[in-house]
Amino acid sequence: DVKVTQSSRYLVKRTGEKVFLECVQDMDHENMFWYRQDPGLGLRLIYFSYDVKMKEKGDIPEGYSVSREKKERFSLILESASTNQTSMYLCASSFRGRFNEQFFGPGTRLTVL
Amino acid sequence: AQSVTQLDSHVSVSEGTPVLLRCNYSSSYSPSLFWYVQHPNKGLQLLLKYTSAATLVKGINGFEAEFKKSETSFHLTKPSAHMSDAAEYFCAFTNAGKSTFGDGTTLTVKP
Repeated sequence: DVKVTQSSRYLVKRTGEKVFLECVQDMDHENMFWYRQDPGLGLRLIYFSYDVKMKEKGDIPEGYSVSREKKERFSLILESASTNQTSMYLCASSFRGRFNEQFFGPGTRLTVL
Repeated sequence: AQSVTQLDSHVSVSEGTPVLLRCNYSSSYSPSLFWYVQHPNKGLQLLLKYTSAATLVKGINGFEAEFKKSETSFHLTKPSAHMSDAAEYFCAFTNAGKSTFGDGTTLTVKP
């Protein structure tokens, strides 16, 4: 079974804090993704990576950065958390190729106070 | 640009009756299309995918979807709803490794 794990299920942070969300996959997938999920807005892509040390901006990258130093790990960084970043964050991974589905982690519900 | 539209934000059915969740896509490319399901407090799980091999695609848990190019649709169906089908469903379009997701349809199943 493919496993995508995320470091925390629930996280509460204060405005201005630097926040790290970690994602690890165990299937040697090339691609990894970070999404945020908000009611009525579906999933919006923040950043994705198709190889180690490579990253591409998604649809809503502002206020976020990412790091991929190892193939299995993809980190999302909120440089200075703000209340409008309160959301559910989902990590996913997939093999390269247009017909390959994404495998999702359980999500991290982040609250910024 | 590619896009995916889920035509209903909420669908309510009675247990044992058919389910229809509608998805339309827009793309200038030959699409690869997916349906995912998300149960409360869980990540998304793949239900089925269209990869151009067959227009009628069978997935897990009795779900299936039919790709209709003339209608640019990829609707999800199930002949008989079960209580455990209550969840949120997402249609997605993938191109160059990136997926575009619809806004989701919440399925409620009444006893």
